[in-house]
Amino acid sequence: DSGVTQTPKHLITATGQRVTLRCSPRSGDLSVYWYQQSLDQGLQFLIQYYNGEERAKGNILERFSAQQFPDLHSELNLSSLELGDSALYFCASSVEGGASVAFFGQGTRLTVV
Amino acid sequence: TQLLEQSPQFLSIQEGENLTVYCNSSSVFSSLQWYRQEPGEGPVLLVTVVTGGEVKKLKRLTFQFGDARKDSSLHITAAQPGDTGLYLCAGSMTTDSWGKLQFGAGTQVVVTP
Repeated sequence: DSGVTQTPKHLITATGQRVTLRCSPRSGDLSVYWYQQSLDQGLQFLIQYYNGEERAKGNILERFSAQQFPDLHSELNLSSLELGDSALYFCASSVEGGASVAFFGQGTRLTVV
Repeated sequence: TQLLEQSPQFLSIQEGENLTVYCNSSSVFSSLQWYRQEPGEGPVLLVTVVTGGEVKKLKRLTFQFGDARKDSSLHITAAQPGDTGLYLCAGSMTTDSWGKLQFGAGTQVVVTP
């Protein structure tokens, strides 16, 4: 158990819909990272938040957004969903923003039908 | 196109055999990490290498970082069924954000009894 909690574990939704994925970082960790893992693209960095503020941005689509709340949990919002958005979404957390190691949650498997 | 190319994509061996997984790039990395991911779980960090030519051992696993810091290898001696998993290499070109890691597509290793 990495200490990073993601909910829900599985999500099935229809095209065009909007979903919210939730991540609770390890106790004491200030930084949260979101990753997407698909069969054809592998693990792709989406976005990082540090202590409530956006720190780094990767290959995140405009239809996707994220935020980190004062209690440090984070949410990833995916809207206007397409079939190609079906993937595993991972959250990871670290103590610092520039840390060399982070711990992954178990992921949320999103299926868009 | 993956910045880090892993080979082979799939490896199936018998218990007791040795195996090597390669991670190659044309780019220079400041550090490189290896992860193992099991079904339904997030990636778990195995090792970080930062110095060209560095060799690190973790029980039966040996990790090597190329002299030019463009490639790495993972060697498993006397593989066991518990070594089964997806092995991912990930490189960092910067030291200011863990989230800017570039992941390879992974090597699926299956060790049968």
